Amino acid sequence: AQSVSQHNHHVILSEAASLELGCNYSYGGTVNLFWYVQYPGQHLQLLLKYFSGDPLVKGIKGFEAEFIKSKFSFNLRKPSVQWSDTAEYFCAVIPRSYNTDKLIFGTGTRLQVFP
Amino acid sequence: GAVVSQHPSWVICKSGTSVKIECRSLDFQATTMFWYRQFPKQSLMLMATSNEGSKATYEQGVEKDKFLINHASLTLSTLTVTSAHPEDSSFYICSAEGQGVGELFFGEGSRLTVL
Repeated sequence: AQSVSQHNHHVILSEAASLELGCNYSYGGTVNLFWYVQYPGQHLQLLLKYFSGDPLVKGIKGFEAEFIKSKFSFNLRKPSVQWSDTAEYFCAVIPRSYNTDKLIFGTGTRLQVFP
Repeated sequence: GAVVSQHPSWVICKSGTSVKIECRSLDFQATTMFWYRQFPKQSLMLMATSNEGSKATYEQGVEKDKFLINHASLTLSTLTVTSAHPEDSSFYICSAEGQGVGELFFGEGSRLTVL
């Protein structure tokens, strides 16, 4: 079945460590890609998105993601995490080639950063 | 940024009763709102797309007679869980579509517990 996969369910890091969260999708053709973050007790909010152009996308709070079409991936990265990055991170896809504008979410990755 | 508010944030009800959850866009008008359901450690599953002034579009497998959606104005969509049963216990999240394609603003979620 078509899906969005986040292989890391729970990641624990120390402050200043580098972060990479994996996201793979199985939809062919044109896709719009998103990373959303949910801080403890808060709403989901958009971190960054990719529609077209430069496959390296920069978002808020120092996050970036790289779209690699050949790998069907959109991994999220941050060079040096902070305690305040502790949150749940969701990758999401709009598979345009399937004639839909609905967001399909991955299962999420819980990131815990310790000082 | 745009704000979407859900009410109530948590509700406990007896089996067989109906529960209404409201989703409001506080500072913008939302022609389209989405309702998601999230089980523990699982992805957000789209239940239905709510369109102002017209019938909601339900995803496959979602009972439209059980999950009644009303989008009577550009700032309010409601989800009513009718004749709730314990298996309906879940976290329900709404979102509203902003100006940018695929950019969604999420409510804080409503946790329903059916006894």
